[in-house]
Amino acid sequence: DSGVTQTPKHLITATGQRVTLRCSPRSGDLSVYWYQQSLDQGLQFLIQYYNGEERAKGNILERFSAQQFPDLHSELNLSSLELGDSALYFCASSAIHRGQEGRTEAFFGQGTRLTVV
Amino acid sequence: LAKTTQPISMDSYEGQEVNITCSHNNIATNDYITWYQQFPSQGPRFIIQGYKTKVKNEVASLFIPADRKSSTLSLPRVSLSDTAVYYCLVGDSQTGANNLFFGTGTRLTVIP
Repeated sequence: DSGVTQTPKHLITATGQRVTLRCSPRSGDLSVYWYQQSLDQGLQFLIQYYNGEERAKGNILERFSAQQFPDLHSELNLSSLELGDSALYFCASSAIHRGQEGRTEAFFGQGTRLTVV
Repeated sequence: LAKTTQPISMDSYEGQEVNITCSHNNIATNDYITWYQQFPSQGPRFIIQGYKTKVKNEVASLFIPADRKSSTLSLPRVSLSDTAVYYCLVGDSQTGANNLFFGTGTRLTVIP
């Protein structure tokens, strides 16, 4: 158990709909990352938050948005869903080593499998 | 952000030692090297992290030469359960954002 909790585990929805994926980071971790992994593809970095603020952005579509709340949990919102959005969505959290910003180890949740039909 | 290059795939027989090498020519002074393991439909799992020379834990060893432009993950006596994708990442000290960009990884297949 990595300590990172993602809900729901599975989600099936229709095209055009909107869904929200939730992530609870490990206790004390301030940084949260979101990734998308399509079938047999690599991990595509979407976005990172640190202590409530957006820290870095990857190839995240405009239809997607995220936020991190004061209690540090994060939500990824996916709207106007298309068939191609079907994928595993992973959340990870990490602690930041002060003065060692080049030293990051992340802990991943088990993912949310989104199926758009 | 230092880019990494590693072989797309490798095959090995059970019981053999497997070495996966990763190139990171542009690694910055303060960047650490981290390896993750991912099984199908699961989130990546941290394996080992190092800065220089050799690091060893109960799962693997990590060898980093003096110039730090490459690193080698060594898995002793692999078993079928080691079949997975292995990712090499380097830190992101230059931006300070602690980004985690995963490359394509190395797909290791262990053969009986």
